[in-house]
Amino acid sequence: DAGVTQSPTHLIKTRGQQVTLRCSPKSGHDTVSWYQQALGQGPQFIFQYYEEEERQRGNFPDRFSGHQFPNYSSELNVNALLLGDSALYLCASSFGRSSSYEQYFGPGTRLTVT
Amino acid sequence: AQSVAQPEDQVNVAEGNPLTVKCTYSVSGNPYLFWYVQYPNRGLQFLLKYITGDNLVKGSYGFEAEFNKSQTSFHLKKPSALVSDSALYFCAVNAGGGNKLTFGTGTQLKVEL
Repeated sequence: DAGVTQSPTHLIKTRGQQVTLRCSPKSGHDTVSWYQQALGQGPQFIFQYYEEEERQRGNFPDRFSGHQFPNYSSELNVNALLLGDSALYLCASSFGRSSSYEQYFGPGTRLTVT
Repeated sequence: AQSVAQPEDQVNVAEGNPLTVKCTYSVSGNPYLFWYVQYPNRGLQFLLKYITGDNLVKGSYGFEAEFNKSQTSFHLKKPSALVSDSALYFCAVNAGGGNKLTFGTGTQLKVEL
């Protein structure tokens, strides 16, 4: 049973560029959430996708956008990259949107903005 | 708003001794509480959760956590620590609906021989 997978593992971009990160949820899961984990910090919630729509959003600017596909996989897009966007980006999946369901996390994509 | 505090940046314990990693929370309404562990260059692994019912929750790898509503705490415990337990531990809360988890800043657990 495959867990949550993310690609790429590492990415280096220049300020002002755009980036797309990808996530495949755990088998049987239909809900995907994205988190940003800065160095030495806990993960911060970016947004959640369910039924191909953004259902919940954290305190992140519109430069952060996403998409969910019919097979439940998801993309995170970040435009006009800033140095402060350098972080580990984590994808998490669950079955449904209930607050009581645990989320399963992927290994993350390490984004470095220079 | 919901928040989590992990007051200790690092906890050191000798192998075989009991360990406790502290967590307190602040929410409006009833909380769902979670513990996750993160190994270097890895994502977060789910350990256990409190939803309702028994205040003592048992999870993976021999870990357990005690929910205390009056003290708004959810401390992680293990009766006998292993060197392999050394990792970064995160407490998280969800009380606002949906999947939004709010995490603490993490506690680095170091178990020494």
